[in-house]
Amino acid sequence: SQTIHQWPATLVQPVGSPLSLECTVEGTSNPNLYWYRQAAGRGLQLLFYSVGIGQISSEVPQNLSASRPQDRQFILSSKKLLLSDSGFYLCAWRPDRVGRAFFGQGTRLTVV
Amino acid sequence: DQQVKQNSPSLSVQEGRISILNCDYTNSMFDYFLWYKKYPAEGPTFLISISSIKDKNEDGRFTVFLNKSAKHLSLHIVPSQPGDSAVYFCAASGEFLAGGSYIPTFGRGTSLIVHP
Repeated sequence: SQTIHQWPATLVQPVGSPLSLECTVEGTSNPNLYWYRQAAGRGLQLLFYSVGIGQISSEVPQNLSASRPQDRQFILSSKKLLLSDSGFYLCAWRPDRVGRAFFGQGTRLTVV
Repeated sequence: DQQVKQNSPSLSVQEGRISILNCDYTNSMFDYFLWYKKYPAEGPTFLISISSIKDKNEDGRFTVFLNKSAKHLSLHIVPSQPGDSAVYFCAASGEFLAGGSYIPTFGRGTSLIVHP
């Protein structure tokens, strides 16, 4: 069966520090991968998606970047965090381009 | 501009009664709709979905209704249980989104509280 791992679960980082969140999927190959953010009082906002290694699409301009160095690995990064980057970050995957997405447990990021 | 709207941020229901969560969308090109349930500090989990070729889909206590002319869908939970207390997200997808990627667009969620 397929599983998705996302870490860390919680993170407190100072403004201006770098960020690296990692997500890996097991039990499948060539998944479609996504990073979402849930800010306080808001819904799930799509940040990045990837349909294959090295292929990254960004949905919104922001202080963040994403990379997919391996088929089942998706990384969310920032060189310098802003206070507004605080939120709940979710990695998700889909086996194909249609159908439901499976989410990781999320990372609660607080920028102080 | 939100394409998927959940206008009720919260809903409170008595155990055993029906919970009705509503969702509206603006683009008639959406053709696949999903509901997710989310507990605090966890990722959302898929609940039920419906294709635009149907107007109803049922799975146990959960039923989703789709009214394409009104661009409206609803999730019915009968009977409601305290364990159903969570945030429910409505999502819609379509081939027109993000270069045909069918990525779901989410609403802001409705917090359901089921009282014992």
